[in-house]
Amino acid sequence: GQQLNQSPQSMFIQEGEDVSMNCTSSSIFNTWLWYKQDPGEGPVLLIALYKAGELTSNGRLTAQFGITRKDSFLNISASIPSDVGIYFCAGTSGTYKYIFGTGTRLKVLA
Amino acid sequence: GAVVSQHPSRVICKSGTSVKIECRSLDFQATTMFWYRQFPKQSLMLMATSNEGSKATYEQGVEKDKFLINHASLTLSTLTVTSAHPEDSSFYICSARDRRLAGGSSYNEQFFGPGTRLTVL
Repeated sequence: GQQLNQSPQSMFIQEGEDVSMNCTSSSIFNTWLWYKQDPGEGPVLLIALYKAGELTSNGRLTAQFGITRKDSFLNISASIPSDVGIYFCAGTSGTYKYIFGTGTRLKVLA
Repeated sequence: GAVVSQHPSRVICKSGTSVKIECRSLDFQATTMFWYRQFPKQSLMLMATSNEGSKATYEQGVEKDKFLINHASLTLSTLTVTSAHPEDSSFYICSARDRRLAGGSSYNEQFFGPGTRLTVL
């Protein structure tokens, strides 16, 4: 099935550093979402974006809906050890289907 | 709010047996539920969309006779893996869309269950 291209695939960072990841698509979406998944758990919604250009924050997390509607970015500021996990983007174009990104595995070194 | 549960969380079965997984929306009604499969270190892949009171819609390549879906009420969908084989071993995750959000932009939000780890010996 189709997947969105997410980068980086994985990253190790020091506690306190900022993290950036992005997601790109070959098709246009009207909703972008960012999820975090811990091992053995289901994804948990972090941020949902509904308009091109929209910039939305949730605590230390900030996400943007790209102006072309084909990409989205997630930033985590001042990372802490509990930020470790897999981050997935997902896009939908108004149908019920989510297309998921390939995931970014984040490891934070204390 | 918007809590989705799955049962069982983990199941081990012998090859050839059938396994039923339940997905429940605990504090909201869901006209639509979704079933995903996730292999180790991979992303979530949509298997089927479950609509209350009607037949499920399966994604291309997903065998409908093997993965039986029933959505008999607004809070419960079940996935039955029939005649399971080792290659069916995977993490199965359901999600649900809250009907209260219908008509608004956030209706596209899906709330995910905690997943069911299926191991077929």
